[in-house]
Order: sequence, then structure tokens, then C-alpha cells
Amino acid sequence: NAGVTQTPKFRILKIGQSMTLQCTQDMNHNYMYWYRQDPGMGLKLIYYSVGAGITDKGEVPNGYNVSRSTTEDFPLRLELAAPSQTSVYFCASSYGLQPQETQYFGPGTRLLVL
Amino acid sequence: RKEVEQDPGPFNVPEGATVAFNCTYSNSASQSFFWYRQDCRKEPKLLMSVYSSGNEDGRFTAQLNRASQYISLLIRDSKLSDSATYLCVVPPRGSNYQLIWGAGTKLIIKP
Repeated sequence: NAGVTQTPKFRILKIGQSMTLQCTQDMNHNYMYWYRQDPGMGLKLIYYSVGAGITDKGEVPNGYNVSRSTTEDFPLRLELAAPSQTSVYFCASSYGLQPQETQYFGPGTRLLVL
Repeated sequence: RKEVEQDPGPFNVPEGATVAFNCTYSNSASQSFFWYRQDCRKEPKLLMSVYSSGNEDGRFTAQLNRASQYISLLIRDSKLSDSATYLCVVPPRGSNYQLIWGAGTKLIIKP
């Protein structure tokens, strides 16, 4: 049982490039989330999904897109990377949507945009 | 005022000591709050939930003071392995999916 896995671990992008951050969970959780964590700041929710085919915006969705074609996978797409997107990105999943449900996080992707 | 505020620390504490830190919040009517632990360059992991009646798990005790709008975390007999950043997490009023994350309090346990 691997839990939540993310690839890549680290990536450097040039301004204007695009990339996809991969996230997979094997816990059969319906709910999945993408966060970013900037130094000295709390996690900010980018997008979330309540199940395959259903996604919605979080607090900071601009510059990102997501899709959820299967229960297991929840990729995050960055289009036209900007220095402001330099951050650590965490994918998480939970059994339920309610805030009381424990969120399980992947190891994170460190992204540097130059 | 930020929705969730934490003293960033670091709190430098000798091994075996007791340490406590608070998290103040606004705009929440939730019945439960959370403490997550994040090791350096790692992902957050749930440490414990905090209910109106408080919560205790071994050396860790969490309390909720709804009148003053803060939650606290007390660590007794601290271990070197307790060194981490402790994130306070608050469900905001009016949302059934979002969590507001504090920036965290860094704790360093010294031998």
C-alpha cells in the first residue's frame, strides 16, 4: 500500500514552459486535493475533486488546471509557468470530504520557475 | 487579522521538558480542529484532532478555547524525535471542504 505518490520530486522550469505534476493514490479515496506551500505560509488549496470526473476550484486556482479521469489519478497542469508558481506542491486524499476526515499527503513536488 | 495565526518560533526546548504553543483563529464555528506535524522537507501528517472536550494522546494534549478562539498543543517529556513544525488547521465558517492552514510553529528539541 503506497498511499499517495507524486512525481517528479523536483523540477526546474523556465518562464512560459508547461508541465504536469502527477499524483496517484491507492487507498480508493474519493476525495483528492492539490495544495501549494510557500515558505513561511500555510498550505493553500489549488483544486480539489470529489470523485472521477468532478473537480472544483480552491483558494488559488489561477494558472493551474486539473483533471480526474480515474479514482486513483489527479494530475495538476501548469500552463505558462511564472516565477510566482515557485513552490512546493502537495497532493492529498481523504476518504470523506468533510473537514473532519484525515487528509493523507504525498511527499511533494518542489518546483522552481526561473 | 489572519484567519489562523501561529508563533513561527523556533521554540528551542531541552529534551524531557514540557512545551506548549497556541494557535489563534477567527471565522470558524467548527466542532473540531486539527494539529498536523511536518518534518523538514516532508509532507504534513495528522498528529491529532481537537474537539470541544479536548484530546489527549500519550504525551500530547490538545485543548480548544472557543471563547478566546485558540487551540493549544502541549507536549510533555519531549523527545528529540518531536522536533518538527506543528501546523494548526481550522475549518472555516461556511465551507464543508476547505481547511485553513496555519504557517506552523517550529519546535527544536535539544539533547
